[in-house]
Amino acid sequence: KQEVTQIPAALSVPEGENLVLNCSFTDSAIYNLQWFRQDPGKGLTSLLLIQSSQREQTSGRLNASLDKSSGRSTLYIAASQPGDSATYLCAVSPTHTGNQFYFGTGTSLTVIP
Amino acid sequence: EAQVTQNPRYLITVTGKKLTVTCSQNMNHEYMSWYRQDPGLGLRQIYYSMNVEVTDKGDVPEGYKVSRKEKRNFPLILESPSPNQTSLYFCASRRREAYLYEQFFGPGTRLTVL
Repeated sequence: KQEVTQIPAALSVPEGENLVLNCSFTDSAIYNLQWFRQDPGKGLTSLLLIQSSQREQTSGRLNASLDKSSGRSTLYIAASQPGDSATYLCAVSPTHTGNQFYFGTGTSLTVIP
Repeated sequence: EAQVTQNPRYLITVTGKKLTVTCSQNMNHEYMSWYRQDPGLGLRQIYYSMNVEVTDKGDVPEGYKVSRKEKRNFPLILESPSPNQTSLYFCASRRREAYLYEQFFGPGTRLTVL
């Protein structure tokens, strides 16, 4: 069964700092990896989707990379802002299970003004 | 506006009283799914559906039922809720091809079973 791990569980940084969030998964046979943001008491907002054939995706200040062979993905946030404070989740869709979806437990990010 | 809607958003009920949480999407997506989110455990998949009349179990299907009679709707049914089903529930949808398309999530339903 696919296991997804996110380290650290919580991170606090001063405003303006660049930061990296980590996601690792045990089975490299995946269709894609998706990064989400979750605000307290709210639903999930999709940030980036990386297909298995891609190495990275960018959207504004966010850049996500994927290294399937090592089972790792990183989410890079440039010039962090207080509005970036949220929990960040990664999820993978393994190929052999077709349509199941496995989430990490998330990294809670606090950006201090 | 493209969206996934869930109702109710908050529900407090008692053990054994059947309930249904509705989920609807307006994006003509083939794939729909239900998840529960618990502290320390993250999101876990309950059931998913690839299309009308096609449903499959996820990781934690015990105590839940689903149906997919229409493409846009995917209700989650708890026939006899128990306190261990107290959780935050999310519905999601996407286009059929898993490798190409992202999932879109509803706002969540917070369920408390007393």
